[in-house]
Amino acid sequence: GNSVTQMEGPVTLSEEAFLTINCTYTATGYPSLFWYVQYPGEGLQLLLKATKADDKGSNKGFEATYRKETTSFHLEKGSVQVSDSAVYFCALVPGGGSYIPTFGRGTSLIVHP
Amino acid sequence: GAGVSQSPSNKVTEKGKDVELRCDPISGHTALYWYRQSLGQGLEFLIYFQGNSAPDKSGLPSDRFSAERTGGSVSTLTIQRTQQEDSAVYLCASTKDGYSNQPQHFGDGTRLSIL
Repeated sequence: GNSVTQMEGPVTLSEEAFLTINCTYTATGYPSLFWYVQYPGEGLQLLLKATKADDKGSNKGFEATYRKETTSFHLEKGSVQVSDSAVYFCALVPGGGSYIPTFGRGTSLIVHP
Repeated sequence: GAGVSQSPSNKVTEKGKDVELRCDPISGHTALYWYRQSLGQGLEFLIYFQGNSAPDKSGLPSDRFSAERTGGSVSTLTIQRTQQEDSAVYLCASTKDGYSNQPQHFGDGTRLSIL
């Protein structure tokens, strides 16, 4: 079956530090890959996506590259801000007639001033 | 409305009671999904609607859970004879057509607490 594995949190950083949140997946075929962010008391919001191998998704300074050879979609940001503190979810949608997303367990990010 | 709307935002009820949770998707979105998010856990898929049909009910945890969608729009998730383990945040999401490259648009969820 399909699965998404994220690094355990919380990840605690100082403002302006470099961020990496690892995400690896298992899926048949060619899934679409997503990162979502969840702020306290809210639902998930799309952060970025990539729909084929070697695509790079980017938004608000965050980036992730779809690596089929390593089945990874790691999230990076060069300089985090306090306002980036949230829970980040990696997800895949398998395609090929199956449209049910599989989400990782989420990684909490805490950024200190 | 502009986004996915869920109601109520919070629900506290006694064990054994029935509850109904409502989701109003983005206008024109044909695909609708229900998830359960327990503390410290990821999102657990419950059910998926394409229009008014539910091609995938595989995630419903027991026969106490049911869902319907009418008019290709509003959906209700019903939990009968609630148990304490049903306490969680229930999230609804919609997509335009349900294709794999489309992002999910989420509501803010209903936080359900069973006493």
